[in-house]
Formats: sequence, C-alpha cells, structure tokens
Amino acid sequence: DGGITQSPKYLFRKEGQNVTLSCEQNLNHDAMYWYRQDPGQGLRLIYYSQIVNDFQKGDIAEGYSVSREKKESFPLTVTSAQKNPTAFYLCASSKQGNSGNTIYFGEGSWLTVV
Amino acid sequence: EDQVTQSPEALRLQEGESSSLNCSYTVSGLRGLFWYRQDPGKGPEFLFTLYSAGEEKEKERLKATLTKKESFLHITAPKPEDSATYLCAVKGFQKLVFGTGTRLLVSP
Repeated sequence: DGGITQSPKYLFRKEGQNVTLSCEQNLNHDAMYWYRQDPGQGLRLIYYSQIVNDFQKGDIAEGYSVSREKKESFPLTVTSAQKNPTAFYLCASSKQGNSGNTIYFGEGSWLTVV
Repeated sequence: EDQVTQSPEALRLQEGESSSLNCSYTVSGLRGLFWYRQDPGKGPEFLFTLYSAGEEKEKERLKATLTKKESFLHITAPKPEDSATYLCAVKGFQKLVFGTGTRLLVSP
C-alpha cells in the first residue's frame, strides 16, 4: 500500500545529542513537510521541500535541519540547539507544494528529552 | 495573516445525537479547506477537501460544507468510534494553516 512511513515511533534524546527522524513516502509526491504538534496548539511547520535538493524553512526551523537527496526521503535532524524538543513530530507529503493539493500525514514520531 | 479558529474546543455527545463542528477562517485566496481526523498518538487522517463556497462532501456519517467564512463538519447519528480530534486547515497563497482542533467524545 502507498503511504508515508516514519521511524522510529518513539525516540529518547539526551541533552546535547542530535537525533534524526526518518520519513519515507512511496506516493510519488513532489512535496514533503515536517510539522511539530504540541498539546493545545495547531500543527506548526518546521521545514518543507517542493523538489529534490531544495527545501525552505517553516515557522519554527531554529534548532532543526533537513535534507532532500531523494524524492522519497525527507529526514529531520533535531539538533542540540533546539531547546525544547519534546513533542510529536509529523511528516507529510503532497503532489505539489504551492497549490490546493491535499497533504497526507505519516503516523508520527514521539521525541522525549531525558 | 491567514487564520483558522475551531469551535467548540471539546464536545461530548451521546451515541445517535447529531451535531456540528465549526471552522471559521480568514485567508487570502482560498486554494483549499481540509478536514482531518486524528486519534490519540497517531497522525491526522484525511477526510475532505473543499475548494469553493457552496461545496459539500459526505463520507459515512460525516458531511462537510463550506461558505466564504466558515466550514462545518456535520456528524449524523455518531457512534463511539467517531470519538477523535477533528482538525481543520486552510491553504491560501501561502502555507497551510491549522486550527487547534475539536475533541469529540461520543458516549454509548
């Protein structure tokens, strides 16, 4: 079945560590996104990419980094510069980024700082 | 700036008790309004996309409608399995903007 796969589902980070969340899609979508979800807040955009080898910062990009070397993959690295990384992270994709195309989501990854 | 406000924040219904969730929005150049269902600890599941005022879409017990200022998600004769958070989002000329959701609990 086509879809978006995020891994791991649960991840624990020690202070000062960088961690990488994986996102793979087999929907042949051009655009991919990373969102952060915190209780009581709407989804906030971290980074997005409309084509391979290109990506743009979203509203809360500080402390995060991404790469888009393949159309299917859009990994997110949470760096030690992100002061409050504990959250639910959602990867998403759509056919094209700058249109009314529907965005589809993965199952999410929980990141906890220990 | 594009904005989305969902109401109520939480809604408790008895099984079979129909109701509506509201999504009010302001956006420059609407390109799409989206409804999602989200279960605890899971990613949002796509329900509907609406593109223009007057448009309606249905799926099982759910029906979404759209005007120039708001969208409603009507739930007819809900069942306990309809319990979830329902998210609304709008896409204008810029990025997709999400509301904070309505938490729906349907009791048997």
